[in-house]
Amino acid sequence: AQSVTQLGSHVSVSEGALVLLRCNYSSSVPPYLFWYVQYPNQGLQLLLKYTSAATLVKGINGFEAEFKKSETSFHLTKPSAHMSDAAEYFCAVSDPETSGSRLTFGEGTQLTVNP
Amino acid sequence: DGGITQSPKYLFRKEGQNVTLSCEQNLNHDAMYWYRQDPGQGLRLIYYSQIVNDFQKGDIAEGYSVSREKKESFPLTVTSAQKNPTAFYLCASSIFSPITSPLHFGNGTRLTVT
Repeated sequence: AQSVTQLGSHVSVSEGALVLLRCNYSSSVPPYLFWYVQYPNQGLQLLLKYTSAATLVKGINGFEAEFKKSETSFHLTKPSAHMSDAAEYFCAVSDPETSGSRLTFGEGTQLTVNP
Repeated sequence: DGGITQSPKYLFRKEGQNVTLSCEQNLNHDAMYWYRQDPGQGLRLIYYSQIVNDFQKGDIAEGYSVSREKKESFPLTVTSAQKNPTAFYLCASSIFSPITSPLHFGNGTRLTVT
């Protein structure tokens, strides 16, 4: 089964600093990859997705992620953090055994932005 | 506005009681999902349904049951057989596949069993 691993359950950055949230996947076939964000006491919303088109994917709120097959990675970045970016971020992968009908999520990374 | 409604937001039950969590969507989505969220474990899939009157087990289906009698509704029952039911439960839907259309999530139900 496919899986994703998020390195670092908590990341803390200063406002204006670079945000880097790490995600590595395990897959025997090219996967579809996603980043979702969860604000406190809410459901998740899609930030961006990789579906085998461009390897650099741009999402909402200034976030982007790069698919690197050689590193089996799909790290999420943002050049300059804003206080409103504080949230929990989840990397997810599709499961080709179910024809992409379900996603498997990572453990999540809590992002704190300090003033 | 279209969306997913989960009710109630907070639910308290005694151990040994079954409890049903409601999930309703007016997005006209075919697929619906139930996830369980625990700190440090991310989201784990309980059950999902791609069409009315059909559903599949996810990774942690034991102790849970679902029904999909209507396109709009996908209730989750937490039975007394679930060993550790206290958690945050999230319902989601998508047009069909989460690859081609994003998952839309409700705001969750926090279940506490004592």
